[in-house]
Amino acid sequence: DVKVTQSSRYLVKRTGEKVFLECVQDMDHENMFWYRQDPGLGLRLIYFSYDVKMKEKGDIPEGYSVSREKKERFSLILESASTNQTSMYLCASKAGGWQPQHFGDGTRLSIL
Amino acid sequence: DQQVKQNSPSLSVQEGRISILNCDYTNSMFDYFLWYKKYPAEGPTFLISISSIKDKNEDGRFTVFLNKSAKHLSLHIVPSQPGDSAVYFCAASANSGAGSYQLTFGKGTKLSVIP
Repeated sequence: DVKVTQSSRYLVKRTGEKVFLECVQDMDHENMFWYRQDPGLGLRLIYFSYDVKMKEKGDIPEGYSVSREKKERFSLILESASTNQTSMYLCASKAGGWQPQHFGDGTRLSIL
Repeated sequence: DQQVKQNSPSLSVQEGRISILNCDYTNSMFDYFLWYKKYPAEGPTFLISISSIKDKNEDGRFTVFLNKSAKHLSLHIVPSQPGDSAVYFCAASANSGAGSYQLTFGKGTKLSVIP
């Protein structure tokens, strides 16, 4: 079974802080993704990466950056956290081709 | 512009009956469709998929139907069980320039199966 592990289930930070969300997958997948899920809005793609050190913007990249130094790890960075970034953050990975994305259990982030 | 639409935010069904969840899409470049199930406080779990070359895919109690001319797909659950109560997301993908098959998700339908 594919295992996608997000470092924290719950996180509380203050406005203006730099926040790091970590994600690790154990299946040697090339592709990794960061989403946020908000009520009534579904899942929205923030950034994705199709290889080490490669990254592409998703639909809502503003206020976020990412880092992929190793194939198994994909980090989401909130450069200066704001209250509108309070959300559920979901990481996913997938193999190449027509394969499904596999998700972690999410990080519930609150920015106070 | 919402490219994947799930027009029913919620659905209630009696245990043992059929649940039908619907999804419409607008982008004719989508070539792969998936359904995910999500329980509260958990990540989405892949349920079933279908490629655009097929019109039906079945896996146990779950069947997905694709009508390309109508740009519509549906998920049938027969028989419905209380454990099926969850939020169901429809998702679609097209081969992006990076070949990464990124997904576009609908907003979800909350299914409640009543015992």
